Amino acid sequence: AQRVTQPEKLLSVFKGAPVELKCNYSYSGSPELFWYVQYSRQRLQLLLRHISRESIKGFTADLNKGETSFHLKKPFAQEEDSAMYYCALGTDSWGKLQFGAGTQVVVTP
Amino acid sequence: EAQVTQNPRYLITVTGKKLTVTCSQNMNHEYMSWYRQDPGLGLRQIYYSMNVEVTDKGDVPEGYKVSRKEKRNFPLILESPSPNQTSLYFCASRRTGNSEQYFGPGTRLTVT
Repeated sequence: AQRVTQPEKLLSVFKGAPVELKCNYSYSGSPELFWYVQYSRQRLQLLLRHISRESIKGFTADLNKGETSFHLKKPFAQEEDSAMYYCALGTDSWGKLQFGAGTQVVVTP
Repeated sequence: EAQVTQNPRYLITVTGKKLTVTCSQNMNHEYMSWYRQDPGLGLRQIYYSMNVEVTDKGDVPEGYKVSRKEKRNFPLILESPSPNQTSLYFCASRRTGNSEQYFGPGTRLTVT
């Protein structure tokens, strides 16, 4: 069965410190991985997808098929990065997404 | 502007009173879905639709119904709401395949 695990419910970091959000997945096929972000009182929006291999707002994520992980990283956290982050797994051509439980990031000055 | 809209945004109702939350997208997306968001549980899929007249259960379908008569609309129906359906609901749409999923603004439902 497909599963996405985000082990940290809450991540509190200081401004300027590195931040890493962990995401592990379970899927026997070829996965498509995404990170979605939800700022306070806003709708979810796509942050990153692994196929594009780009950096958005200073965030990067690398798919590690050996470790079945797709951790999200940023070298220097900013206060505007405070949000809820969801890792999501796409497993079929129809586009169904399996979401993790989410990690709340709080960046303090 | 490409978007997903939901109505109402906030709803307080009583147990057993049927309600419908509407969802509409203007991007001609084939795939639409409903999620509920609860603290500590993240987003859980309720129902999804791969195209007009094609719907299927997600992970938590009990107590919900959906219909997809038109490509742009995907209403969520609670025939007899109960307090455990108090939650924040999101509608989403995307093209077929693993493209970006667009979310609506959310509907906060309280069932007393």
